[in-house]
Amino acid sequence: GQQLNQSPQSMFIQEGEDVSMNCTSSSIFNTWLWYKQDPGEGPVLLIALYKAGELTSNGRLTAQFGITRKDSFLNISASIPSDVGIYFCAGHGGGSNYKLTFGKGTLLTVNP
Amino acid sequence: KAGVTQTPRYLIKTRGQQVTLSCSPISGHRSVSWYQQTPGQGLQFLFEYFSETQRNKGNFPGRFSGRQFSNSRSEMNVSTLELGDSALYLCASSLYGGGTSLEYFGPGTRLTVT
Repeated sequence: GQQLNQSPQSMFIQEGEDVSMNCTSSSIFNTWLWYKQDPGEGPVLLIALYKAGELTSNGRLTAQFGITRKDSFLNISASIPSDVGIYFCAGHGGGSNYKLTFGKGTLLTVNP
Repeated sequence: KAGVTQTPRYLIKTRGQQVTLSCSPISGHRSVSWYQQTPGQGLQFLFEYFSETQRNKGNFPGRFSGRQFSNSRSEMNVSTLELGDSALYLCASSLYGGGTSLEYFGPGTRLTVT
């Protein structure tokens, strides 16, 4: 089945630093999504990408849908303590594949 | 507009028992998907329902089942619980599902099997 490789697994940064994480897949995805999950809560949608090459921002967050449709990255600029959490990439393969495939997540820790 | 709600939030069951979890989607959303989240396997797709019909199913044993009602509310059931079923169970709702509309997650039900 489809799998997403998300990296890095964890990051420990200082407040104010920029952060970058990415996901790659061996197969094509039609939609890329980025979620953030806080402890004890469900994932919250941050950014959705629908077209190859698309670059989308949401405040300090920027994500891109790779040209090959097999990868995506998420950048967080000027990190703040509340950015702490687990970030997941997810993708839809399209067609009759209705499920979201998730990466294993990137645990972000921000040191004030 | 209210978000996705799941009940109960926490549950402790004994091995061999069965459990039913409930999910109320965002008003107007017709698709509900269920996911299992564990530290080792991450988020894994269980099944998706749309208009009371199961449209897709993940690779889970038959002990995991679900249904959707006419008001789009959904339940999932796990029979003959095993220790490995301990997990956070998340449901997500979307307007039409199938990758054509965004999925929004509920807070999850934390199931512990002892």
